[in-house]
Amino acid sequence: DTGVSQDPRHKITKRGQNVTFRCDPISEHNRLYWYRQTLGQGPEFLTYFQNEAQLEKSRLLSDRFSAERPKGSFSTLEIQRTEQGDSAMYLCASSLGQGVFFGQGTRLTVV
Amino acid sequence: GIQVEQSPPDLILQEGANSTLRCNFSDSVNNLQWFHQNPWGQLINLFYIPSGTKQNGRLSATTVATERYSLLYISSSQTTDSGVYFCAVDQTGANNLFFGTGTRLTVIP
Repeated sequence: DTGVSQDPRHKITKRGQNVTFRCDPISEHNRLYWYRQTLGQGPEFLTYFQNEAQLEKSRLLSDRFSAERPKGSFSTLEIQRTEQGDSAMYLCASSLGQGVFFGQGTRLTVV
Repeated sequence: GIQVEQSPPDLILQEGANSTLRCNFSDSVNNLQWFHQNPWGQLINLFYIPSGTKQNGRLSATTVATERYSLLYISSSQTTDSGVYFCAVDQTGANNLFFGTGTRLTVIP
């Protein structure tokens, strides 16, 4: 499989719990992105890595959110003390320059 | 910030019909891509097209960067074309995409 892989595909959690999502980009893609998509809206940019360096973070990425890409390969997105407003699809994407390719997303439901 | 508007917002087609989707953007961009989001939520990369014209089977796209718009043409539509079509642009050169409002296409048999 040469596409962007995300795990888990679905996550249901209770308000206040922490959750962590994983993204494996396309092999050799040096750029990795996280986006969030809520119902009826287009995806919104959260953060961007080039290799292991986190180069940009959106204002949407509150202090409860943290992302890492420790060895410049896979990435994790952690949400601490989840709130109902965090319920959304979290999309990971990767790029080598021309074109951005998305994974299937992780759908988070906070109850 | 940049504004990206897509039209029409909703489109219903009979199978076999042709359609044109439009994306207008308010500022110069480094990158423009068209995506199809299928009913399962997967964003499928259709075209990387910051300028010029490209074709891929029944789909083609044209971007006129100087006039700040892009068009996606779908010919001989099929029910599997149903979903939401997004135009997304990048101004930074880092492919940090800003998505448009989307066009929801429904193709009926």
